[in-house]
Amino acid sequence: QKEVEQDPGPLSVPEGAIVSLNCTYSNSAFQYFMWYRQYSRKGPELLMYTYSSGNKEDGRFTAQVDKSSKYISLFIRDSQPSDSATYLCATSTGYQKVTFGTGTKLQVIP
Amino acid sequence: GAVVSQHPSRVICKSGTSVKIECRSLDFQATTMFWYRQFPKQSLMLMATSNEGSKATYEQGVEKDKFLINHASLTLSTLTVTSAHPEDSSFYICSAPGGAQETQYFGPGTRLLVL
Repeated sequence: QKEVEQDPGPLSVPEGAIVSLNCTYSNSAFQYFMWYRQYSRKGPELLMYTYSSGNKEDGRFTAQVDKSSKYISLFIRDSQPSDSATYLCATSTGYQKVTFGTGTKLQVIP
Repeated sequence: GAVVSQHPSRVICKSGTSVKIECRSLDFQATTMFWYRQFPKQSLMLMATSNEGSKATYEQGVEKDKFLINHASLTLSTLTVTSAHPEDSSFYICSAPGGAQETQYFGPGTRLLVL
């Protein structure tokens, strides 16, 4: 079993839709949770960062962490074609030992 | 935000040759940098942690004699793929620690194709 599971998609949604991206993890020691966005043939860029459980909102993006169920989510409101990318969840116990999901490819159709 | 650059962005080489990839932190110093490999539809796999002034730390299963890492200064780390073979073809990405704990600034990646 992988430490971090993520549906690879692809996920296609119409412009303006609410997008829900999810990951599950198995290691209860994970304390840090990140979402990265990766455009084709580019390096990942940090979108959201959460320590421990809870919600965090930044503009159209909301990250949720539920440590009791080992479930992390990223919601994108009013999705735009420019949001089309691969979204990687990432977790860490600390000391920069980061485990990444496989990424979910999202396509927002105009 | 902080910028990490990589050079070259793309390289094609013949089997058996060596290829050097550079990773630079452009506006900050990085005593630690990370090297990842990413295959299509797979997650980022950490290969090694590059430490300025000391030896790199390699992850299990990564051949240190094949993937030579040198952290020459506080802004430059290099990865040399020695005697490259077609199975080494991949997307190599470097990163440096970010502003928040456990976050990273990633470079744009280097696509290596070994013929």
